[in-house]
Amino acid sequence: DIVVTQSPDSLAVSLGETATINCKSSQSVFKSRNGQHYIAWYQQKPRQPPKLLVYWAYNRESGVPDRFSGSGSGTDFTLTITNLQAEDVAVYYCLQYLTYTRTFGQGTRLEIK
Amino acid sequence: VQLVESGGGFVQPGGTLRLSCAASGFSISAYDIHWVRQGIGKGLEWVSAIGEGGDTYYSDSARGRFTISRENVKGSVWLQANSVTVDDTAVYYCARVIAPKGGVFDVWGQGIMVTVSS
Repeated sequence: DIVVTQSPDSLAVSLGETATINCKSSQSVFKSRNGQHYIAWYQQKPRQPPKLLVYWAYNRESGVPDRFSGSGSGTDFTLTITNLQAEDVAVYYCLQYLTYTRTFGQGTRLEIK
Repeated sequence: VQLVESGGGFVQPGGTLRLSCAASGFSISAYDIHWVRQGIGKGLEWVSAIGEGGDTYYSDSARGRFTISRENVKGSVWLQANSVTVDDTAVYYCARVIAPKGGVFDVWGQGIMVTVSS
């Protein structure tokens, strides 16, 4: 199975500043057939299901503010949140979906400093 | 468009849990459906999946004890677990996969709590 490791486990950022969360997969999640990396990013707030933010590594989901952006390739990926807002406090997860047996990162808790 | 889980609650260790995931606003028969669980205060853990055609997939921790199935006529997907332990205590989510985005989860249920306790 593909192992996905996130860093850091937690992060405190001031309002208006930039938060950066990293995700590393144990093997490539690239599919040459369509040229896409099968990494997604989710936001989860307490007592809510996860919400899709980014798919195929850098495609922002419809309705997601452009403060959220994904990047990376190969086995290393990043979620960047610029101009941090109070409503961005949440736990963020990366997901590899190259294989039917999906794997999530362990999550990164984002707080306001 | 939504998914609704049911069947949670308290289960005794060694017992059986059976969860249902019902779709509204779309035809569940056209989608792969996955189950993901989350222990209290813990991260997301992928559990199982069933394809449109009925192919099934399980995590290492679920294989052998969990069974996923679907009843397209009833618009439902089922997850059954036998010989449950306290480690199966979690919120269980069902999620839909969207093929045009490569198979990412785009619609999630609200989740159902399962507590394994004597």
